[in-house]
Amino acid sequence: QTVVTQEPSFSVSPGGTATLTCGLTSGSVSTSNYPSWYQQTPGQAPRTLIYNTNTRSSGVPDRFSGSILGNKAALTITGAQADDESDYYCVLHLGSGTPRVFGGGTKLTVL
Amino acid sequence: EVQLVESGGGLVKPGGSLRLSCAASGFTFSDVWMSWVRQAPGKGLEWVGRIKNKANNEATDYAAPVKDRFTISRDDSRNTLYLQMNSLKTEDTAVYYCTTERGSAFDIWGQGTMVTVSS
Repeated sequence: QTVVTQEPSFSVSPGGTATLTCGLTSGSVSTSNYPSWYQQTPGQAPRTLIYNTNTRSSGVPDRFSGSILGNKAALTITGAQADDESDYYCVLHLGSGTPRVFGGGTKLTVL
Repeated sequence: EVQLVESGGGLVKPGGSLRLSCAASGFTFSDVWMSWVRQAPGKGLEWVGRIKNKANNEATDYAAPVKDRFTISRDDSRNTLYLQMNSLKTEDTAVYYCTTERGSAFDIWGQGTMVTVSS
């Protein structure tokens, strides 16, 4: 069974750049997997950041961007701020049998 | 205001059943595909299943852990999504979110409802 992988944790300094990745245990991620990214703070519902690899959801600042880097999808946060400290999840489309699969999430620390 | 509001969560014994509801407002509910996503305490998000719109025959898909136990349905006249959960297990304990699925991603999210399966 193919699993969606993410870094369990990532640290970035305030004002710095964080690049979080989303891969597959088998194969490469491409735009055909329609990568999307979600931000979640404790006790809150997720918030949609990026869909279709690199399209920002309404109201999402342009500090957040999505791309394909090598064989993974990537979420880049530039100019990291304290309130970016959250859990970030990617979702990949893996085919008609399992339409949507979440990665395990990355806990981002800004310090 | 665009909104999804879940209800129906609570405490249920293993083997029991529960039905969750998700009331939609502020958008054309009948046009969109809808999904359920859950999050066990201290764990990550897990896609549960989805239902397409009437134009796509309200077809459903389910994640393997819930297939044959959970059923997703919708009532477009009431702008409401449902999740019927049968044969509940302790590992089904989670916050359950409903979410719209537009294009290739989840879009609007509800605030979630807690389901606890325990004896």
